[in-house]
Amino acid sequence: EAGVAQSPRYKIIEKRQSVAFWCNPISGHATLYWYQQILGQGPKLLIQFQNNGVVDDSQLPKDRFSAERLKGVDSTLKIQPAKLEDSAVYLCASSSRDRAEQYFGPGTRLTVT
Amino acid sequence: KNEVEQSPQNLTAQEGEFITINCSYSVGISALHWLQQHPGGGIVSLFMLSSGKKKHGRLIATINIQEKHSSLHITASHPRDSAVYICAVYYMEYGNKLVFGAGTILRVKS
Repeated sequence: EAGVAQSPRYKIIEKRQSVAFWCNPISGHATLYWYQQILGQGPKLLIQFQNNGVVDDSQLPKDRFSAERLKGVDSTLKIQPAKLEDSAVYLCASSSRDRAEQYFGPGTRLTVT
Repeated sequence: KNEVEQSPQNLTAQEGEFITINCSYSVGISALHWLQQHPGGGIVSLFMLSSGKKKHGRLIATINIQEKHSSLHITASHPRDSAVYICAVYYMEYGNKLVFGAGTILRVKS
């Protein structure tokens, strides 16, 4: 069974530029999560999808961050414009249903200069 | 406030030693996750449990619901076990959101 795929693995951009991350969850997993992990801290949930609907986006900075999962499968997370404090690892995870075991992708390490 | 506390924050062990990492939480969880994160960022799910004990290879996870405590044990530790180990819980009050501990940095020396 293929795991959660993410791309790119690394990205370096200047502040005020835009960036997009892609995630393909495990086949058949209805629930998809995007997390932000700042160095030295635990992951923070940005947004949770159930199929193509948003379940929780309470911690998503909506003035600059957006995410979509149009067909209920893969998802993109966008930052526009980026700030220095957005430097972090962005993790995508999926699970078969709510509150089930989550499977994480390799993450995208973003550096904003 | 529902939090997840892990101890120790840092742990250095000699190869072959038995290792224990602890996790404490508040009342009202539906399940607990143990996760492993290597340098480079990727996270691997080790266990998810809501009661009792689970074993996979050299890893054992236990949970005591009455004491609101879980432990992750590594037997016969090896340098490749060096990683950050993270405890995370589903609090029923928070619905579908995992609450993460700060992690335990483990270094196993050969």
